[in-house]
Amino acid sequence: DQQVKQNSPSLSVQEGRISILNCDYTNSMFDYFLWYKKYPAEGPTFLISISSIKDKNEDGRFTVFLNKSAKHLSLHIVPSQPGDSAVYFCAVGTAGNMLTFGGGTRLMVKP
Amino acid sequence: DGGITQSPKYLFRKEGQNVTLSCEQNLNHDAMYWYRQDPGQGLRLIYYSQIVNDFQKGDIAEGYSVSREKKESFPLTVTSAQKNPTAFYLCASSTSGYEQYFGPGTRLTVT
Repeated sequence: DQQVKQNSPSLSVQEGRISILNCDYTNSMFDYFLWYKKYPAEGPTFLISISSIKDKNEDGRFTVFLNKSAKHLSLHIVPSQPGDSAVYFCAVGTAGNMLTFGGGTRLMVKP
Repeated sequence: DGGITQSPKYLFRKEGQNVTLSCEQNLNHDAMYWYRQDPGQGLRLIYYSQIVNDFQKGDIAEGYSVSREKKESFPLTVTSAQKNPTAFYLCASSTSGYEQYFGPGTRLTVT
């Protein structure tokens, strides 16, 4: 039973437009949420995070939104750039500082 | 220059052979993790260690073994008992928070 789901395996966006990546989780006890970016044949790199006491966190072009009642997390990238093309994983923090990852969404930003 | 190193980048083995993947970190992190990524899937936790000389099984530990004799090192052995060993293996480390830092990964191919 997947606790963290990214229902869109891929997303294609035009350069300069907004990219919205979504993530759903099942357990309301999760209290910390992260997004990672991964290029092929490389390790994931941390992008942005949010704790359950907030509903929005912004860092430059990246904003994460948390809707606790819907158990839904989203990452907005605006404006999107070709260098943003990668696989994006959401992760949730569970007991003992462990992370559970979603299956990933491949973002393609077209010039 | 702090970070996590994994070697080698690519590894080829014959079926029935054990193989050990290296993971070293100089970030002075207490916790270290091993994940496996298969095509189109998220990261699945194999083993983790929160202090030296102690480690715990993750979600898919069968066919794998680890050791944690030094804070800096957390090698993973893929044994011949692992039924589908071909995958991309990622090592990560963390301090007291949820954010984990990943190495570049090792792609293991078993034929």
